[in-house]
Amino acid sequence: QVQLVESGGGVVQPGRSLRLSCAASGFTFSHYSLYWVRQAPGKGLDWVTLISYDGSNKYYADSVKGRFTISRDNSKNTLYLQMNSLSAEDTAVYYCARSSFEYYYYHGMDVWGQGTTVTVSS
Amino acid sequence: QAVVTQEPSLTVPPGGTVTLTCGSSTGAVTSGHYPYWFQQKPGQAPRTLISDTSNKHSWTPARFSGSLLGGKAALTLSGAQLEDEAEYYCLLSYSAAWVFGGGTKLTVL
Repeated sequence: QVQLVESGGGVVQPGRSLRLSCAASGFTFSHYSLYWVRQAPGKGLDWVTLISYDGSNKYYADSVKGRFTISRDNSKNTLYLQMNSLSAEDTAVYYCARSSFEYYYYHGMDVWGQGTTVTVSS
Repeated sequence: QAVVTQEPSLTVPPGGTVTLTCGSSTGAVTSGHYPYWFQQKPGQAPRTLISDTSNKHSWTPARFSGSLLGGKAALTLSGAQLEDEAEYYCLLSYSAAWVFGGGTKLTVL
């Protein structure tokens, strides 16, 4: 079945970096665009970034632009999120999610991972 | 950046019908915003209920339906069950920027 499994979360000091991974299975990874969405404790969902199916297009929320980088390795069926210059405001559960349609990415997401928790604290 | 608005909370009796709405600060919501609806229960990841205004997934209970209503996207629950108590989020697409609504806490009581 279609599955997304995030990893790499943890506790990190302000100003430091962290890299999240999302391992995919059960579908043709290279055909789908992928999202990162986060949820701060007790708050709502917040779109972070998207990468197109072939990695040629990347979009970021203003709150993370210039600090976060999304990438993917289609040979390893894995999505990444490199997070630099972290602050307390980045504390959240980070979810990866698959775009609903092959190749298109203006639509939303259909399948979600279980999330990985990032805590930025000294 | 656009702001997407939802009712903060709604209550529906078991077996009742309720409509949640999703508005945009930029004007009327259209099919071109590709409205999505998600359900999230405490401690769980979100689950997609409705895609592209009204399309259901194989796992979407038949009692949920999506539409456009009065310039907003709408999620209607007909015949509410206790298990439908959850937070519901909508998502709108703005040409390569995606904005979630603040969520609606639905109580079945």
